[in-house]
Amino acid sequence: KQEVTQIPAALSVPEGENLVLNCSFTDSAIYNLQWFRQDPGKGLTSLLLIQSSQREQTSGRLNASLDKSSGRSTLYIAASQPGDSATYLCAVADSSYKLIFGSGTRLLVRP
Amino acid sequence: GAVVSQHPSWVICKSGTSVKIECRSLDFQATTMFWYRQFPKQSLMLMATSNEGSKATYEQGVEKDKFLINHASLTLSTLTVTSAHPEDSSFYICSASQSSTNEKLFFGSGTQLSVL
Repeated sequence: KQEVTQIPAALSVPEGENLVLNCSFTDSAIYNLQWFRQDPGKGLTSLLLIQSSQREQTSGRLNASLDKSSGRSTLYIAASQPGDSATYLCAVADSSYKLIFGSGTRLLVRP
Repeated sequence: GAVVSQHPSWVICKSGTSVKIECRSLDFQATTMFWYRQFPKQSLMLMATSNEGSKATYEQGVEKDKFLINHASLTLSTLTVTSAHPEDSSFYICSASQSSTNEKLFFGSGTQLSVL
């Protein structure tokens, strides 16, 4: 059974810092991996999607990497801003395309 | 971008009543919709997969008679929590897929259910 773990569970940084969020999964047979952002009491917004054959994806200040063989992904946020404060969720899609989510990292960027 | 509308955003009900939550894809046809449940500070747990015109597929441990799902059209799926109890209090989120591989997945804004 696939399990997705995210570390740290919570993170507080001053504005401007670069930071890394970690995601690990137990079964490397994934179809893709996605990073989402969730604001309190809201739905999810897709940030980046990495296909199983890819190593990384970039969008603006965000960069996500994938090492499928070791079951790890990282989300790198450059020059963090208070508006980046949210919960970041990692999810892997299995062979039936169902998404299995990690428990998230709650990020607070202090002005 | 594609929009998924979920209503209501908040609902408070008495124990024993039923609550219906709607999930609509506003500008695209969604052959597949998903329903998730999220407890505080926990991740989203898939409850069921809903395909238009057919019965929903429930995940292990989810009672299909408790959580009724109807996907009558390509733009609407509903989740009805029947005879709700306090332990059903949770955040429910739907998502709709534009592709068979869920690469184009759009989420509703969620429904916070509180059962008194």
